[in-house]
Amino acid sequence: IAGITQAPTSQILAAGRRMTLRCTQDMRHNAMYWYRQDLGLGLRLIHYSNTAGTTGKGEVPDGYSVSRANTDDFPLTLASAVPSQTSVYFCASSDSNRANTGELFFGEGSRLTVL
Amino acid sequence: RKEVEQDPGPFNVPEGATVAFNCTYSNSASQSFFWYRQDCRKEPKLLMSVYSSGNEDGRFTAQLNRASQYISLLIRDSKLSDSATYLCVVRVYTGGFKTIFGAGTRLFVKA
Repeated sequence: IAGITQAPTSQILAAGRRMTLRCTQDMRHNAMYWYRQDLGLGLRLIHYSNTAGTTGKGEVPDGYSVSRANTDDFPLTLASAVPSQTSVYFCASSDSNRANTGELFFGEGSRLTVL
Repeated sequence: RKEVEQDPGPFNVPEGATVAFNCTYSNSASQSFFWYRQDCRKEPKLLMSVYSSGNEDGRFTAQLNRASQYISLLIRDSKLSDSATYLCVVRVYTGGFKTIFGAGTRLFVKA
């Protein structure tokens, strides 16, 4: 069982370039999320999607966009990367129909460095 | 004030020690509580949910105090493999569910 797959696992990017981080899940979870994790700040929500066709803004959405064309895929795009977007990005999913549990399943992360 | 606060540590303990982590949350409407474990350069994974009556899973015990808005995790008989960062997680319903992560507490267990 693959769970959640993220790509790339690591990327060095020049400032100003466009970058898409890919995320695919095979658990048929309704909800998907993108987080960034920075030292001392913990995980911060960038964007989320409660179901295919809908998306919403999280805590730190500026400079990022997402789409949810189907249940399985939830790509995150940086239109014009800036050094402050250097971070580790985690994609996650949950079965929102099981609201009382709320367990999030994470991908292995994408380490992005913007120079 | 952060919505979920944890002592960042690090906690350095010998094998076999008992160690406790605390976490406070600010939103009294918080509904669900969890501890996640994150190994170095890996993704977070659910360690255990925290129930109002307290719950135990082997060497791990989680407690919730709603009145004080406080969650704890106790690890008994620490193992080297327990070395990780422990994330306190709170789920709040505000028209939809919102999951809030603490910054984590680092634990190092030494031989």
